[in-house]
Amino acid sequence: QLQLRESGPGLVKPSETLFLTCSVSGGSLDKKSPYWAWIRQSPGKGLEWIGTVTYNGSTFYDQSLRSRVTMSVDASKREFSLRLISVAAADTAVYYCARHPAADAFDVWGQGTTVTVSS
Amino acid sequence: DIVLTQTPLSLSVTPGQPASISCTSSQSLLHSDGKTYLYWYLQKPGQPPQLLLSEVFVRFSGVSDRFRGSGSGTDFTLKISRVEAEDVGVYYCMQSIRLITFGQGTRLEIK
Repeated sequence: QLQLRESGPGLVKPSETLFLTCSVSGGSLDKKSPYWAWIRQSPGKGLEWIGTVTYNGSTFYDQSLRSRVTMSVDASKREFSLRLISVAAADTAVYYCARHPAADAFDVWGQGTTVTVSS
Repeated sequence: DIVLTQTPLSLSVTPGQPASISCTSSQSLLHSDGKTYLYWYLQKPGQPPQLLLSEVFVRFSGVSDRFRGSGSGTDFTLKISRVEAEDVGVYYCMQSIRLITFGQGTRLEIK
């Protein structure tokens, strides 16, 4: 059974860089499961797609975050990552990683990791 | 960006009664490939969202047939035929025809 697990720092200072990793178990990052995404949810708010990375490294980002986001993948380690620079309080959120097999629906989600931006 | 607007933002339903949630898109979600890229999710308290319906009306594996999706173009509806206690949470619609955006969510509670 495919499972995703997010990891990273729970607390980041303003203006610093956030780095999160999603570890995939029970499956592979390959042509059969090519698209992997990050989604976040600010406290009390709705869902915001951050971006998608493919198994071979292509990326697609939300326009509002594009200037600050970089996603990467290491298929051999079965993990993909999110790098968000110049964080601010508005980046405080639960960050989820998820799979979308055909770049459409997210069918498997991690449990999420809470990130707080504060000095 | 495509904006998805859900109504109502919250609803309170007696168990066994139906419920309906609307999702209106600022642009058509019908692609030239014939597919309509509209999805529904339920986020139960303390959990990540879970996929309910793909491409308007296709139920995901294990999803009860009490959940039905309908609509076309820019107007879509999720209907729950008989609400149960386990249906409590926030429902989101999502589009993926042009990048990805979510509706603001509709909170369902039990009376």
